[in-house]
Amino acid sequence: GAVVSQHPSWVICKSGTSVKIECRSLDFQATTMFWYRQFPKQSLMLMATSNEGSKATYEQGVEKDKFLINHASLTLSTLTVTSAHPEDSSFYICSASQVLNTEAFFGQGTRLTVV
Amino acid sequence: KNQVEQSPQSLIILEGKNCTLQCNYTVSPFSNLRWYKQDTGRGPVSLTIMTFSENTKSNGRYTATLDADTKQSSLHITASQLSDSASYICVVSGRGNAGKSTFGDGTTLTVKP
Repeated sequence: GAVVSQHPSWVICKSGTSVKIECRSLDFQATTMFWYRQFPKQSLMLMATSNEGSKATYEQGVEKDKFLINHASLTLSTLTVTSAHPEDSSFYICSASQVLNTEAFFGQGTRLTVV
Repeated sequence: KNQVEQSPQSLIILEGKNCTLQCNYTVSPFSNLRWYKQDTGRGPVSLTIMTFSENTKSNGRYTATLDADTKQSSLHITASQLSDSASYICVVSGRGNAGKSTFGDGTTLTVKP
């Protein structure tokens, strides 16, 4: 299957700082990328849908000014958690697909811990 | 409201045994149904994807079935191994530009020696 690389795998940051997470499709062009958040023993919660060259579409309740998404190319989307707080600590996962709602390939996830 | 319900919530089986996980959905119009395996602390890995016209698909020891009339799917795992211990997630996508993927809460499978 196609490969989606997410970086970093884990990060620890201080409260108030910003953290950037990268999601890359390595062997295909992803017209659409998705960002999820997952709490322990819960399913993935969609945060936003990112389309190359346009603004991301955020799910209800997700602060767009706090979770900045940039989909600058067909192979790269970034999620920046701004002014991070301990409650932002979570597992963040991206996925990418060539065509909306077809096979989606997931990155390996990023464990964010805010101290 | 589109929903995906998985059962059981958790399951413990002995190594070598078979098991079946269930997924019921209300997503309409239907586009495809996917099963993923997620190891703890990792991203989900695709097992199978089925469209409306497909009623069974296999991937090694994993066999997924789909009944689009009753809106039910199952994932059958044969001759379980310790490495099968993971969360199994059912994802259903709707058709069209407005179609979104709806995730089930997953079934946590534990395979014991």
